[in-house]
Amino acid sequence: GENVEQHPSTLSVQEGDSAVIKCTYSDSASNYFPWYKQELGKGPQLIIDIRSNVGEKKDQRIAVTLNKTAKHFSLHITETQPEDSAVYFCAARAFGNEKLTFGTGTRLTIIP
Amino acid sequence: ETGVTQSPTHLIKTRGQQVTLRCSSQSGHNTVSWYQQALGQGPQFIFQYYREEENGRGNFPPRFSGLQFPNYSSELNVNALELDDSALYLCASSKTGNEKLFFGSGTQLSVL
Repeated sequence: GENVEQHPSTLSVQEGDSAVIKCTYSDSASNYFPWYKQELGKGPQLIIDIRSNVGEKKDQRIAVTLNKTAKHFSLHITETQPEDSAVYFCAARAFGNEKLTFGTGTRLTIIP
Repeated sequence: ETGVTQSPTHLIKTRGQQVTLRCSSQSGHNTVSWYQQALGQGPQFIFQYYREEENGRGNFPPRFSGLQFPNYSSELNVNALELDDSALYLCASSKTGNEKLFFGSGTQLSVL
């Protein structure tokens, strides 16, 4: 089955700097890669996603890149703000498969 | 547009008891998935329901069961509770043909 690894497990960055979180996946059939943000006491919130026919996608301060050959994808947050502090999860799913496989999460702390 | 709602928010049970968790899907969504999130981990897929039928299952024993109703709401039932069942249970809904999955805030289950 699919296995998703996520690094780092914790990340602290100065406000205004950029943050990068990386994930690798094992199943070459995976073709959908969402990223979720989870704040304390809340469920995961979808912040951006990418499909395997696209190499990069950007939404304001957030961008995701995908390298299908290397089976890895990354989340980039620029101009970080205190409200970006949360746990971020990457996930992967193969076409036609109902199951999303999640990484183990990255706790991002923005230092004011 | 109403998001995914879950009830109750917190629940305490003792080992061996049974529990029912409830979920109302987001308006316009017809598919419901359930995930278990242990402390410090990513969500793990339990199963998915579509057209009131189980449509895929993760690595969970048969004592985890579910229902989906004609209005697309859903229940997760867990029998013979074990201490390791203590976790955040997340419901997520989606629309057929759309990969995006939207989560509720979860039910925090503690088994003593």
